[in-house]
Amino acid sequence: GAVVSQHPSRVICKSGTSVKIECRSLDFQATTMFWYRQFPKKSLMLMATSNEGSKATYEQGVEKDKFLINHASLTLSTLTVTSAHPEDSSFYICSASLAGDYEQYFGPGTRLTVT
Amino acid sequence: GQNIDQPTEMTATEGAIVQINCTYQTSGFNGLFWYQQHAGEAPTFLSYNVLDGLEEKGRFSSFLSRSKGYSYLLLKELQMKDSASYLCAVDSGGYQKVTFGTGTKLQVIP
Repeated sequence: GAVVSQHPSRVICKSGTSVKIECRSLDFQATTMFWYRQFPKKSLMLMATSNEGSKATYEQGVEKDKFLINHASLTLSTLTVTSAHPEDSSFYICSASLAGDYEQYFGPGTRLTVT
Repeated sequence: GQNIDQPTEMTATEGAIVQINCTYQTSGFNGLFWYQQHAGEAPTFLSYNVLDGLEEKGRFSSFLSRSKGYSYLLLKELQMKDSASYLCAVDSGGYQKVTFGTGTKLQVIP
């Protein structure tokens, strides 16, 4: 149980365009979802925390208008990278958790390349 | 602020034992995670320590000392497939927010 999926797994887009990444909890209802980005050979950096039905809480230094997060239901959160630039190229990973459960269940990640 | 330190890289021999250390200084503490991450993949959960002491789970064990801000992950009977990055992460409270260390890249050699 506790499977989290992400779509797409890989995406290439041109500078200036927007790209949406979906994160779904397949067999449980996630009260909280987290979005991370990871640069090569670096650890995960938390971008934002989202709770279903409320606005996401962004970490310091993360642009809210650039990285739009929507958590419309207990099984789906989306991250939209707007007006993408090459420096946005990274590995984006989501995770989901249940209320009262310490464990976060990670999705397989999305590799974004901006050309 | 949050500060979590791990060695960057380690090398160990197949069949041997390796210990990966993690020290942390965080504004709060609920528990400490260890995750395994193979290149290009998402992290997978290994352990979660809340209380001081050693917790054993098969070939993997994790130790925590809250007073010292210290943890280690012990891997026994190393296998080639154990080559991966091992991430130490602290749950410092508030909406299950977790801060990750930079990770230790372990290479297992024959």
